[in-house]
Amino acid sequence: EVQLVESGGGLVHPGGSLKLSCAASGFTFSGSAIHWVRQASGKGLEWVGRIRSKANTYATAYAASVEGRFNISREDSKNTAYLQINSLKSEDTAVYYCTSQMGGATLDHWGQGTLVTVSS
Amino acid sequence: QSALTQPPSASGSPGQSVTISCTGTSSDVGAYNYVSWYQEHPGKAPKLMIYEVTKRPSGVPDRFSGSKSGNTASLTVSGLQAEDEADYYCSSYTGNNIWMFGGGTKVTVL
Repeated sequence: EVQLVESGGGLVHPGGSLKLSCAASGFTFSGSAIHWVRQASGKGLEWVGRIRSKANTYATAYAASVEGRFNISREDSKNTAYLQINSLKSEDTAVYYCTSQMGGATLDHWGQGTLVTVSS
Repeated sequence: QSALTQPPSASGSPGQSVTISCTGTSSDVGAYNYVSWYQEHPGKAPKLMIYEVTKRPSGVPDRFSGSKSGNTASLTVSGLQAEDEADYYCSSYTGNNIWMFGGGTKVTVL
């Protein structure tokens, strides 16, 4: 069974940083791309970014709204992906989901999400 | 880039059909057959219902179907059931390694 489990969310002051983790199991993590998607309370889904596999040079891509502040990385030996969020703003408050992309361009499996709250 | 355009709400009685549209541009929905649909119940993670415009993952009832015409994709839920009441989001690959979601449609089973 495919499982993705996010962790690392919490309450952070504006301007602070946070590193979220996404632990994966049940599929070939090293061969899959991993995406991050966020959802503010009562709002829609927003694609944040993606990291490809080693075979694809761990290439990353980000939404314009987070480019330069967010960084996605991965550690295939631990089947874990990460989202480093810097210079946090109140508008970054959201549930952050990690998702797998095993084939094509489909975000196929989702974790349960981790809540990031940015407030003073 | 703006989000894909979905109607905010849709409804139908049990047993009826409801169709949700997802309008993009010739650079995203119209350019790629990489449109997906997700179902989200309150407090739950999104679940993939349709991928690559028309394909259903294993375990998704065949009451759910997808299609595309030009820059608009559609999700149809036939034979509506109470458990189909949820938010539905479309997504499309937009090229340049960027993905995009629609604003979401709340489906109500009357």
